[in-house]
Amino acid sequence: DGGITQSPKYLFRKEGQNVTLSCEQNLNHDAMYWYRQDPGQGLRLIYYSQIVNDFQKGDIAEGYSVSREKKESFPLTVTSAQKNPTAFYLCASSISGTETQYFGPGTRLLVL
Amino acid sequence: GIQVEQSPPDLILQEGANSTLRCNFSDSVNNLQWFHQNPWGQLINLFYIPSGTKQNGRLSATTVATERYSLLYISSSQTTDSGVYFCASHSNDYKLSFGAGTTVTVRA
Repeated sequence: DGGITQSPKYLFRKEGQNVTLSCEQNLNHDAMYWYRQDPGQGLRLIYYSQIVNDFQKGDIAEGYSVSREKKESFPLTVTSAQKNPTAFYLCASSISGTETQYFGPGTRLLVL
Repeated sequence: GIQVEQSPPDLILQEGANSTLRCNFSDSVNNLQWFHQNPWGQLINLFYIPSGTKQNGRLSATTVATERYSLLYISSSQTTDSGVYFCASHSNDYKLSFGAGTTVTVRA
């Protein structure tokens, strides 16, 4: 089946630990995105990538890092510099930067 | 980026009722999308509607780009329509800006 997968579904982070969230798509989309959603709020853009080996900061990039070594994959690392990482993280992809975005099922990150 | 205001923030409906959700934008509307977020968090695409009107079953949407707003109509609501509805628009730098959402609760 074509689509976007995210893993894990739930992730627990200890203080001072870096954790990496996975996002994979087999839709042959060029553009990929990471969003953060806090309870009762809309989505905020963390990072986006319009093409392999290139990515740009979104509105709330501090404390996060990404890589785009393959078209299909856009992993997000939540670093220890992110002081309030508890949130729901959603990955999306689109054919290009201005087309319809399709979302994965999300990863819930909790801090122990 | 573009500012997106959604109204109402909350909506409680009796099954079978009709309703209208609204999005206002602070700047030019580009490539507007409507989404439904189900109770498990999955965002489902409803409409890609930069302008005009589209219908999909009991749902329809209208975007008036020149007046910077979009409307989502839900007719004959069902309990499965419950969830949060988001609208989003691209700004000129291709970032998708989301509203805070409208939480819809449909009661049987």
